[in-house]
Amino acid sequence: AQSVTQPDIHITVSEGASLELRCNYSYGATPYLFWYVQSPGQGLQLLLKYFSGDTLVQGIKGFEAEFKRSQSSFNLRKPSVHWSDAAEYFCAVGAVGGNKLVFGAGTILRVKS
Amino acid sequence: DAGVIQSPRHEVTEMGQEVTLRCKPISGHNSLFWYRQTMMRGLELLIYFNNNVPIDDSGMPEDRFSAKMPNASFSTLKIQPSEPRDSAVYFCASSLDRRGGSSYNEQFFGPGTRLTVL
Repeated sequence: AQSVTQPDIHITVSEGASLELRCNYSYGATPYLFWYVQSPGQGLQLLLKYFSGDTLVQGIKGFEAEFKRSQSSFNLRKPSVHWSDAAEYFCAVGAVGGNKLVFGAGTILRVKS
Repeated sequence: DAGVIQSPRHEVTEMGQEVTLRCKPISGHNSLFWYRQTMMRGLELLIYFNNNVPIDDSGMPEDRFSAKMPNASFSTLKIQPSEPRDSAVYFCASSLDRRGGSSYNEQFFGPGTRLTVL
């Protein structure tokens, strides 16, 4: 069965600083991997996804993520955080050709000025 | 595109009452998902439909919960009777299921319904 671990429940960074949110997955084959963002009171919005090809994927809002098969990781990064990035971030894994997603517990990002 | 529409956005009810949550998926999408989000359990998939047929309801907590999709543009999630532990945010999501090949099916989420059971 698929599972996702986001080890950091909360992260606080200063505006302008770089950001890395960790995600580790467990899945028996090559997974589909996703990062979603949830702003307060809102639904989830897809930031980026990986399902094949280049292991460094670019997403919206200046985010990128790198798939590392050897580490079963799909960490999210941003070189310079903006105050509007404060939100909760979810990593998710899906099976190739499947419909179901399994989400991690989420990481709450706080941005201090 | 209107996106996934959920109603109501907020619902406050008393224990024992019936609660019905509604969802209108994105036009043309053929898969629909119901999720529940709580602090304790995070985001859990309750049930999903493909072409209006329930495919996997293994996440439905108990018989008090039921979901229907009478047509491609409407789904309901019903809780009867409701209990305080059902308090959560319920999300509906939809996707276009392109079978075959290396496709993936991005899920588009609605804004959620915040349910409070007193």
